Amino acid sequence: SQQGEEDPQALSIQEGENATMNCSYKTSINNLQWYRQNSGRGLVHLILIRSNEREKHSGRLRVTLDTSKKSSSLLITASRAADTASYFCATAPWGQLTFGSGTQLTVLP
Amino acid sequence: DTGVSQNPRHKITKRGQNVTFRCDPISEHNRLYWYRQTLGQGPEFLTYFQNEAQLEKSRLLSDRFSAERPKGSFSTLEIQRTEQGDSAMYLCASSLGLAGAHTGELFFGEGSRLTVL
Repeated sequence: SQQGEEDPQALSIQEGENATMNCSYKTSINNLQWYRQNSGRGLVHLILIRSNEREKHSGRLRVTLDTSKKSSSLLITASRAADTASYFCATAPWGQLTFGSGTQLTVLP
Repeated sequence: DTGVSQNPRHKITKRGQNVTFRCDPISEHNRLYWYRQTLGQGPEFLTYFQNEAQLEKSRLLSDRFSAERPKGSFSTLEIQRTEQGDSAMYLCASSLGLAGAHTGELFFGEGSRLTVL
């Protein structure tokens, strides 16, 4: 079974809107990471947040982490059509990164 | 290009045949990972190398699967007697990490897509 689970499974928004994706995980973590995957391509690392951090920003990305609720959220502001992709959270409860099943984001022009 | 390289990108084979995938990691990275991904799912961990040592294997990795990383550089993943259920994208990733350190950012290749007929 997978450690992280993203919610929603699919999200469709208009260009310029914000997109929020959530991730829940089961065991204690050292860090939580978000990755992006365009269709048929490899994954690209977006951001890493450590267990002692609560919020982190990178460009149009904002990640929050609530270790008491074992959850994280990824916010993409002012979305663009090029943001269309699958987004995965990943944690390393046993040392190796374990991925959720992802959120498919579609940004309509 | 100094990223992670995987070959071949696509492989179509008949059930029962053997296939081998190759991964060339980023040169200074000492950790190398293999993942498998099926449509609509996230990557599933298969195995991991620290330098040339294979430190962990998932229970998903049946006896038909074998991975090597001779000399701690490139890696190969071989699947023997392929089955239709082996059809998936096989992803390789590398990273730089000290032994025992928590896993940081992974750098992924573009994957090798296997179709078993």
